[in-house]
Amino acid sequence: GDSVTQTEGQVALSEEDFLTIHCNYSASGYPALFWYVQYPGEGPQFLFRASRDKEKGSSRGFEATYNKEATSFHLQKASVQESDSAVYYCALSASSGSWQLIFGSGTQLTVMP
Amino acid sequence: ETAVFQTPNYHVTQVGNEVSFNCKQTLGHDTMYWYKQDSKKLLKIMFSYNNKQLIVNETVPRRFSPQSSDKAHLNLRIKSVEPEDSAVYLCASSYPGQGNERLFFGHGTKLSVL
Repeated sequence: GDSVTQTEGQVALSEEDFLTIHCNYSASGYPALFWYVQYPGEGPQFLFRASRDKEKGSSRGFEATYNKEATSFHLQKASVQESDSAVYYCALSASSGSWQLIFGSGTQLTVMP
Repeated sequence: ETAVFQTPNYHVTQVGNEVSFNCKQTLGHDTMYWYKQDSKKLLKIMFSYNNKQLIVNETVPRRFSPQSSDKAHLNLRIKSVEPEDSAVYLCASSYPGQGNERLFFGHGTKLSVL
Protein backbone atom coordinates (compact mmCIF):
# COMPACT_ATOMS: atom_id res chain seq x y z
CA GLY A 1 0.00 0.00 0.00
CA ASP A 2 0.89 3.67 -0.16
CA SER A 3 3.21 4.97 2.54
CA VAL A 4 5.25 7.97 3.70
CA THR A 5 8.57 7.79 5.53
CA GLN A 6 10.05 10.59 7.60
CA THR A 7 13.51 9.61 8.79
CA GLU A 8 13.97 12.20 11.52
CA GLY A 9 11.84 11.73 14.60
CA GLN A 10 13.29 14.78 16.31
CA VAL A 11 15.34 17.74 15.10
CA ALA A 12 16.95 20.29 17.41
CA LEU A 13 18.32 23.52 15.96
CA SER A 14 19.31 27.02 16.99
CA GLU A 15 17.64 30.13 15.59
CA GLU A 16 18.82 31.04 12.07
CA ASP A 17 19.96 27.47 11.36
CA PHE A 18 19.07 25.76 8.08
CA LEU A 19 16.36 23.11 8.30
CA THR A 20 15.90 19.94 6.30
CA ILE A 21 13.32 17.29 7.16
CA HIS A 22 13.43 14.28 4.85
CA CYS A 23 10.29 12.77 3.37
CA ASN A 24 10.15 9.80 0.99
CA TYR A 25 7.01 8.18 -0.32
CA SER A 26 5.87 4.96 -1.92
CA ALA A 27 2.84 5.17 -4.18
CA SER A 28 1.74 4.47 -7.72
CA GLY A 29 1.14 7.24 -10.23
CA TYR A 30 1.27 10.87 -9.19
CA PRO A 31 -0.01 11.28 -5.66
CA ALA A 32 -0.39 14.82 -4.35
CA LEU A 33 2.18 15.51 -1.62
CA PHE A 34 1.63 17.73 1.40
CA TRP A 35 3.32 19.23 4.42
CA TYR A 36 1.30 19.92 7.58
CA VAL A 37 2.41 21.55 10.83
CA GLN A 38 0.96 20.90 14.28
CA TYR A 39 1.44 23.25 17.23
CA PRO A 40 0.79 22.05 20.82
CA GLY A 41 -2.91 21.76 21.63
CA GLU A 42 -4.01 22.23 18.04
CA GLY A 43 -4.81 20.07 15.05
CA PRO A 44 -2.46 19.83 12.06
CA GLN A 45 -2.51 22.84 9.74
CA PHE A 46 -1.94 22.71 5.99
CA LEU A 47 1.40 24.23 5.05
CA PHE A 48 1.53 23.60 1.28
CA ARG A 49 1.22 20.92 -1.40
CA ALA A 50 2.60 19.88 -4.79
CA SER A 51 0.87 17.72 -7.37
CA ARG A 52 3.38 17.04 -10.15
CA ASP A 53 7.04 16.30 -10.72
CA LYS A 54 9.43 19.25 -10.09
CA GLU A 55 6.65 21.41 -8.69
CA LYS A 56 7.74 23.48 -5.68
CA GLY A 57 5.39 24.16 -2.83
CA SER A 58 6.11 26.92 -0.34
CA SER A 59 4.65 28.86 2.57
CA ARG A 60 5.96 30.97 5.47
CA GLY A 61 9.56 30.48 4.32
CA PHE A 62 9.25 26.68 4.11
CA GLU A 63 9.56 24.93 0.77
CA ALA A 64 9.73 21.47 -0.80
CA THR A 65 10.09 20.20 -4.36
CA TYR A 66 8.27 17.16 -5.73
CA ASN A 67 10.90 14.71 -6.97
CA LYS A 68 9.30 11.72 -8.64
CA GLU A 69 12.57 10.03 -9.56
CA ALA A 70 13.79 10.10 -5.97
CA THR A 71 10.22 9.72 -4.59
CA SER A 72 10.97 12.57 -2.21
CA PHE A 73 9.43 15.80 -0.92
CA HIS A 74 11.96 17.16 1.59
CA LEU A 75 11.02 20.17 3.70
CA GLN A 76 13.53 23.01 3.94
CA LYS A 77 13.78 26.44 5.51
CA ALA A 78 16.80 28.70 5.27
CA SER A 79 16.59 30.28 8.71
CA VAL A 80 14.38 28.83 11.46
CA GLN A 81 12.87 30.78 14.32
CA GLU A 82 11.85 29.69 17.80
CA SER A 83 8.20 30.04 16.71
CA ASP A 84 8.75 27.28 14.13
CA SER A 85 8.97 24.72 16.94
CA ALA A 86 6.22 22.21 16.17
CA VAL A 87 5.58 18.75 14.73
CA TYR A 88 5.84 18.55 10.94
CA TYR A 89 4.05 15.90 8.91
CA CYS A 90 4.61 14.85 5.33
CA ALA A 91 1.53 13.32 3.70
CA LEU A 92 0.24 11.96 0.42
CA SER A 93 -3.21 11.46 -1.02
CA ALA A 94 -3.87 7.75 -1.19
CA SER A 95 -4.63 6.20 -4.54
CA SER A 96 -7.36 3.99 -3.11
CA GLY A 97 -10.13 6.03 -4.67
CA SER A 98 -11.18 7.60 -1.40
CA TRP A 99 -8.46 10.27 -1.54
CA GLN A 100 -7.64 9.96 2.12
CA LEU A 101 -4.43 11.49 3.38
CA ILE A 102 -1.74 9.15 4.59
CA PHE A 103 0.64 10.81 7.02
CA GLY A 104 4.27 10.15 7.83
CA SER A 105 5.29 9.57 11.42
CA GLY A 106 5.98 13.24 12.08
CA THR A 107 9.13 15.17 13.02
CA GLN A 108 9.33 17.18 16.23
CA LEU A 109 11.28 20.37 15.50
CA THR A 110 12.67 22.25 18.48
CA VAL A 111 14.34 25.59 17.85
CA MET A 112 16.37 27.09 20.67
CA PRO A 113 16.85 30.85 20.99
CA GLU B 1 -8.98 30.55 12.08
CA THR B 2 -10.86 27.56 13.49
CA ALA B 3 -13.73 26.34 11.37
CA VAL B 4 -13.86 22.74 12.56
CA PHE B 5 -15.19 22.54 16.08
CA GLN B 6 -14.78 19.55 18.37
CA THR B 7 -16.28 18.88 21.78
CA PRO B 8 -15.28 18.00 24.39
CA ASN B 9 -11.62 19.01 24.57
CA TYR B 10 -10.89 16.27 27.09
CA HIS B 11 -12.70 13.21 28.34
CA VAL B 12 -11.74 10.76 31.07
CA THR B 13 -13.64 7.51 31.39
CA GLN B 14 -13.32 3.93 32.53
CA VAL B 15 -12.94 0.73 30.57
CA GLY B 16 -16.22 -0.53 29.18
CA ASN B 17 -18.02 2.81 29.11
CA GLU B 18 -19.58 4.34 26.02
CA VAL B 19 -18.36 7.75 24.83
CA SER B 20 -19.35 10.09 22.04
CA PHE B 21 -17.44 12.98 20.54
CA ASN B 22 -18.92 15.77 18.47
CA CYS B 23 -17.59 17.50 15.38
CA LYS B 24 -19.06 20.35 13.37
CA GLN B 25 -17.60 22.21 10.41
CA THR B 26 -18.75 25.59 9.14
CA LEU B 27 -16.80 25.55 5.88
CA GLY B 28 -19.50 24.06 3.68
CA HIS B 29 -17.32 21.02 2.94
CA ASP B 30 -18.82 17.79 1.69
CA THR B 31 -16.36 15.33 3.21
CA MET B 32 -15.48 14.79 6.84
CA TYR B 33 -12.96 12.52 8.54
CA TRP B 34 -11.90 11.11 11.85
CA TYR B 35 -8.20 10.54 12.59
CA LYS B 36 -6.62 8.95 15.65
CA GLN B 37 -3.37 10.40 16.98
CA ASP B 38 -1.55 8.18 19.46
CA SER B 39 0.95 9.08 22.15
CA LYS B 40 3.80 8.93 19.62
CA LYS B 41 1.98 11.48 17.42
CA LEU B 42 1.18 8.93 14.72
CA LEU B 43 -1.88 9.93 12.69
CA LYS B 44 -4.14 7.19 11.37
CA ILE B 45 -7.30 7.62 9.30
CA MET B 46 -10.35 5.98 10.85
CA PHE B 47 -13.30 7.06 8.70
CA SER B 48 -14.25 9.35 5.87
CA TYR B 49 -17.86 10.32 5.11
CA ASN B 50 -19.11 11.96 1.93
CA ASN B 51 -22.67 12.18 0.60
CA LYS B 52 -23.74 9.35 2.84
CA GLN B 53 -20.88 7.19 1.63
CA LEU B 54 -18.84 5.89 4.52
CA ILE B 55 -15.31 4.62 3.99
CA VAL B 56 -13.87 2.71 6.90
CA ASN B 57 -10.25 1.88 7.60
CA GLU B 58 -10.37 -1.89 7.93
CA THR B 59 -8.08 -1.79 10.97
CA VAL B 60 -10.63 0.19 13.04
CA PRO B 61 -12.32 -1.98 15.71
CA ARG B 62 -16.08 -2.40 15.40
CA ARG B 63 -16.70 -0.64 18.69
CA PHE B 64 -16.02 2.61 16.82
CA SER B 65 -18.79 4.10 14.69
CA PRO B 66 -19.30 7.47 13.01
CA GLN B 67 -22.67 9.19 13.16
CA SER B 68 -23.80 11.96 10.83
CA SER B 69 -26.99 14.03 10.89
CA ASP B 70 -26.00 16.25 7.97
CA LYS B 71 -22.92 17.11 5.98
CA ALA B 72 -21.74 19.61 8.60
CA HIS B 73 -21.65 17.11 11.47
CA LEU B 74 -19.76 13.88 11.97
CA ASN B 75 -19.71 12.48 15.49
CA LEU B 76 -17.67 9.54 16.76
CA ARG B 77 -19.09 6.93 19.09
CA ILE B 78 -17.08 4.32 20.97
CA LYS B 79 -19.34 1.62 22.29
CA SER B 80 -17.14 0.07 24.98
CA VAL B 81 -13.81 1.77 25.43
CA GLU B 82 -10.55 -0.12 25.89
CA PRO B 83 -7.25 1.17 27.37
CA GLU B 84 -5.68 1.30 23.90
CA ASP B 85 -8.32 3.81 22.86
CA SER B 86 -6.54 6.49 24.87
CA ALA B 87 -5.48 8.99 22.22
CA VAL B 88 -6.34 12.31 20.62
CA TYR B 89 -9.19 12.07 18.13
CA LEU B 90 -9.03 14.62 15.35
CA CYS B 91 -11.92 15.58 13.11
CA ALA B 92 -11.24 17.11 9.70
CA SER B 93 -13.12 18.24 6.61
CA SER B 94 -12.40 18.96 2.95
CA TYR B 95 -14.05 19.51 -0.39
CA PRO B 96 -14.40 16.33 -2.44
CA GLY B 97 -12.20 16.15 -5.46
CA GLN B 98 -9.30 14.44 -7.11
CA GLY B 99 -7.00 13.98 -4.17
CA ASN B 100 -5.19 17.28 -3.81
CA GLU B 101 -7.58 19.01 -1.43
CA ARG B 102 -6.27 20.27 1.87
CA LEU B 103 -7.77 19.07 5.12
CA PHE B 104 -8.97 21.44 7.83
CA PHE B 105 -8.58 19.93 11.30
CA GLY B 106 -10.23 20.65 14.61
CA HIS B 107 -8.20 20.96 17.80
CA GLY B 108 -8.93 17.40 18.82
CA THR B 109 -10.55 15.54 21.70
CA LYS B 110 -8.15 13.87 24.11
CA LEU B 111 -9.52 10.63 25.52
CA SER B 112 -8.05 9.00 28.62
CA VAL B 113 -9.26 5.52 29.52
CA LEU B 114 -8.55 4.45 33.08
